[in-house]
Amino acid sequence: QVQLQESGPGLLKPSETLSLTCTVSGYSISRIYHWGWIRQPPGKGLEWIGSINHGGSTYYNPSLKSRITLSMDTSKNQFSLKMTSVTAADTAFYFCVRGPASAYFDFWGQGTLVTVSS
Amino acid sequence: QSALTQPRSVSGSPGQSVSISCTGTSSDVGGYNYVSWYQQHPGKAPKLMIYDVTKRPSWVPDRFSGSKSDTTASLTISGLQAEDEADYYCCSYAGTYTFAVFGGGTKLTVL
Repeated sequence: QVQLQESGPGLLKPSETLSLTCTVSGYSISRIYHWGWIRQPPGKGLEWIGSINHGGSTYYNPSLKSRITLSMDTSKNQFSLKMTSVTAADTAFYFCVRGPASAYFDFWGQGTLVTVSS
Repeated sequence: QSALTQPRSVSGSPGQSVSISCTGTSSDVGGYNYVSWYQQHPGKAPKLMIYDVTKRPSWVPDRFSGSKSDTTASLTISGLQAEDEADYYCCSYAGTYTFAVFGGGTKLTVL
């Protein structure tokens, strides 16, 4: 059974860098799939942030591309998100996900709330 | 504003059928057979219900079905049950640059 679990700070100040890690169990991230991040501001809809595939190629939401970096550590079976210069608009639940190249997401982490506030 | 357009809400009585539409463009929904649908209950992570327009994962009952015509995709739920009450989101592949775009979500109320 594939399981994903997000971890990282839940509270940030404006202009700080958001760093989240997703630990995957039950499947090796070095096998064929994309691994990504999706966020959801409280009470609002879903937004795809970016994905990284098993070969390390990255795909970023054009509206966030200048601030985000995805990476993976196959030795730990983890992948990570870094988002610089956060503002209150980045306050959201952040989900890590698995999906194929055709952009559907079959396994999701439980989500972690990141709040940006001074 | 979301890339894909969904109705804000739909409703139906137990046993009835409802459909939720998802309208995009030729750059996303209309350009690829890669539309997916997600169900989200309050406080939970979204759950994949339909992928590649019409396919159902093993955990989804056959009451759920998907279709697409031109730039509009649809999710149909037949034999509505109380547990189907949730928010539903569509998503489409949109090419190697944009990759994935979501709809704004539809709240399904079972009357």
